[in-house]
Amino acid sequence: QVQLQQSGPGLVKPSQTLSLTCAISGDSVSSNSAAWNWIRQSPSRGLEWLGRTYYRSKWYYDSATSVKSRIFINPDTSKNQFSLQLNSVIPEDTAVYYCARASGTNWIGHSFDVWGQGAMVTVSS
Amino acid sequence: QSALTQPASVSGSPGQSITVSCTGTSSDVGNYNYVSWYQQHPGKAPRLMIYDVSNRPSGVSNRFSGSKSGNTASLTISGLQAEDDADYYCTSYTGSSTPYVFGTGTKVTVL
Repeated sequence: QVQLQQSGPGLVKPSQTLSLTCAISGDSVSSNSAAWNWIRQSPSRGLEWLGRTYYRSKWYYDSATSVKSRIFINPDTSKNQFSLQLNSVIPEDTAVYYCARASGTNWIGHSFDVWGQGAMVTVSS
Repeated sequence: QSALTQPASVSGSPGQSITVSCTGTSSDVGNYNYVSWYQQHPGKAPRLMIYDVSNRPSGVSNRFSGSKSGNTASLTISGLQAEDDADYYCTSYTGSSTPYVFGTGTKVTVL
């Protein structure tokens, strides 16, 4: 079955870059029927979709308006994984970060059927 | 994009049925049949329970069902069981520059 394994530091200093990786097993980051998402969850903001990447003959990238200027999501086909970079972090970026797959028969699926285990990231000096 | 509105808590006794509502707008829930529901136990990742308003993924009990009327989607859990005690979140496609919005979450308590 498809599994997502997250990795990355749990503590990031303010103004620095948050970096997480999501390794995929049982599917391909280049799949033509999946999209690879980052979602975070905090007590103050609840669940918040951050962005995604997907491949449909070329790579596509979408991100939430709230983080658009700070976020980068990169697929790595050689390692079958994708990563999240969130620049210039502030304490309000403290959250549990999840990677998740969306799959479907249409151009893109709109539900998240496989999730990573989650990674608590604290922004603090 | 504002979060979808869910009741903070819903409770029921074992064997009963409960319904969790998810209210959005004509720009999200009311405009697309792309509402999904997630179950989350403490310390765990969310689990997909319903997708595209009323479809159940393989492996999800048929005690879970979804529906939509206008700008409000609903999740019904019938024959409530102890393991259903969890948080539940809805999400909807919005078609906007931020394509997905989540609900505020509902704590379901099995009495």
